[in-house]
Amino acid sequence: EAQVTQNPRYLITVTGKKLTVTCSQNMNHEYMSWYRQDPGLGLRQIYYSMNVEVTDKGDVPEGYKVSRKEKRNFPLILESPSPNQTSLYFCASSLLGRVLETQYFGPGTRLLVL
Amino acid sequence: AQSVTQPDIHITVSEGASLELRCNYSYGATPYLFWYVQSPGQGLQLLLKYFSGDTLVQGIKGFEPEFKRSQSSFNLRKPSVHWSDAAEYFCAVGTSGTYKYIFGTGTRLKVLA
Repeated sequence: EAQVTQNPRYLITVTGKKLTVTCSQNMNHEYMSWYRQDPGLGLRQIYYSMNVEVTDKGDVPEGYKVSRKEKRNFPLILESPSPNQTSLYFCASSLLGRVLETQYFGPGTRLLVL
Repeated sequence: AQSVTQPDIHITVSEGASLELRCNYSYGATPYLFWYVQSPGQGLQLLLKYFSGDTLVQGIKGFEPEFKRSQSSFNLRKPSVHWSDAAEYFCAVGTSGTYKYIFGTGTRLKVLA
């Protein structure tokens, strides 16, 4: 089944404790992206990647890191989480072509930073 | 500045009634326009994609787009709402030049039986 998977789905952590949220897709998509969803703010793009070793900042990259060492994986790293990073996070992937392709979203990771 | 505005945070309609979801955008380049739907506890799923009037992915669930370039609006209509349409709907824009996306703040739809 074609899908985007995220782990963990739920995470409670404390301020300053490094964490990684994994994202994996099995559709051979070149493009992958991370979003955070907050009430009243909708989805905001954190980082995106157009291929292996190619990443770029979205609108809200502060406090986050990403890496793209393999085509299928795009982990989101919070080196020193803070309470304002409490949010619902979505990973998405799509083909990359001349036109913008449909993004396929993972189920989300709900993060609480105490 | 680039932006996407969904003026209605919440909409409540009765089952069988018509529905309009509004979206206005401000974008320098010619954008791709999207509508996504998020059911409770789920990720987002594409409803429609639209670009310059010549590429349209027909939506699932019977939704129809209304694009007005002069008003920079990309509204979504459905003639008769079903209880299963209750969800949150997001409008989004993007360009193939930057591959960055901007989403609206969402409209939460409630359907009364």
